[in-house]
Amino acid sequence: KAGVTQTPRYLIKTRGQQVTLSCSPISGHRSVSWYQQTPGQGLQFLFEYFSETQRNKGNFPGRFSGRQFSNSRSEMNVSTLELGDSALYLCASSSLGETDTQYFGPGTRLTVL
Amino acid sequence: KNEVEQSPQNLTAQEGEFITINCSYSVGISALHWLQQHPGGGIVSLFMLSSGKKKHGRLIATINIQEKHSSLHITASHPRDSAVYICAVGQGAQKLVFGQGTRLTINP
Repeated sequence: KAGVTQTPRYLIKTRGQQVTLSCSPISGHRSVSWYQQTPGQGLQFLFEYFSETQRNKGNFPGRFSGRQFSNSRSEMNVSTLELGDSALYLCASSSLGETDTQYFGPGTRLTVL
Repeated sequence: KNEVEQSPQNLTAQEGEFITINCSYSVGISALHWLQQHPGGGIVSLFMLSSGKKKHGRLIATINIQEKHSSLHITASHPRDSAVYICAVGQGAQKLVFGQGTRLTINP
């Protein structure tokens, strides 16, 4: 089976712009979670989707949003980018969610200038 | 206080040594995950535990639900084990909360 893929791998944006990141889960996985990793805060949960429904959302402002499509692919969007949004954004897929092994993608490294 | 605490934060050892990384949590959990992150960012899931003990090759993970504590052990450590090891807990709401990670360096 192909692993979790994320596109793009690297992205440079300027403050105020918006960005959309994409995650394709392992075939058959219906749960996709998104995480932000920064040197200061470590890994933090953004949101989780299962069968196109958001089941939970982390403590991030409304500028961070996501969705999941019927084929389980997921996108996350960040609007009005701030310098502090520079981070590695990781997605993980699993069959069921948190009580199941998580398979992580390689991440998208976002730099906001 | 963080909900998930790992110790030590940094660990340097010689090849062949027995390694232990600890994880304590303060909330009820549905599952505990041990993850490995190599330089460059890729994260690999090592174990998912809800009770007892699991072993995979030279890696062993244990969890004590009553004491809210888990340990990751590496036997016969090797330089390729050098990575950041991260403990994460699920709290029953499809949300993982992560420890700050333990940076392990194994010298030849």
